[in-house]
Amino acid sequence: DSGVTQTPKHLITATGQRVTLRCSPRSGDLSVYWYQQSLDQGLQFLIQYYNGEERAKGNILERFSAQQFPDLHSELNLSSLELGDSALYFCASSVHLTSGMRGEQFFGPGTRLTVL
Amino acid sequence: AQSVTQLGSHVSVSEGALVLLRCNYSSSVPPYLFWYVQYPNQGLQLLLKYTSAATLVKGINGFEAEFKKSETSFHLTKPSAHMSDAAEYFCAVSETSNFGNEKLTFGTGTRLTIIP
Repeated sequence: DSGVTQTPKHLITATGQRVTLRCSPRSGDLSVYWYQQSLDQGLQFLIQYYNGEERAKGNILERFSAQQFPDLHSELNLSSLELGDSALYFCASSVHLTSGMRGEQFFGPGTRLTVL
Repeated sequence: AQSVTQLGSHVSVSEGALVLLRCNYSSSVPPYLFWYVQYPNQGLQLLLKYTSAATLVKGINGFEAEFKKSETSFHLTKPSAHMSDAAEYFCAVSETSNFGNEKLTFGTGTRLTIIP
């Protein structure tokens, strides 16, 4: 158990719909990352938040957005869903940058999104 | 820009044999390198990491990896394969020249099969 929790575990929805994925980082971790894992694209970085602020963006579609709340949990919002958005979405968290611990990310179990 | 190449999408070894999973990286700055393992229907678990200290890194479950700058490689090895090692393995690189931006760039993964 990594200490990172994600809900829901599975999500089935229809094209055009909007969903929200939730992530709670490990206690004390200030950074949250979202990744998408699909058969054709592999594991791709979407976005990072650090202590409530957006810090880095990857290959995130404009239909997707995220935020990190004051209690440090994060939500990934996916709208106008398409069949190609079906994937496993992972959240990861990491500690505040300190010597020797930089870059170690702990991953949650993921949310499997199926768009029909 | 950073990238990782994993040679061999599928590797099969006999139980008790040497495991060798290959990873080559490209990075414009000194990299941090990671190996993650993903068991079926689970999230990613960190096996080991290189963060510019010792070039030979020991991880969990008997795995180790050696950072070779001249070859831009970070291959994962285990002397004796066990049935429980069957999983998908991902090499990842982190470019940490920017404060707080520790996004991971993953390779395409190698599925390891253990033959009894």
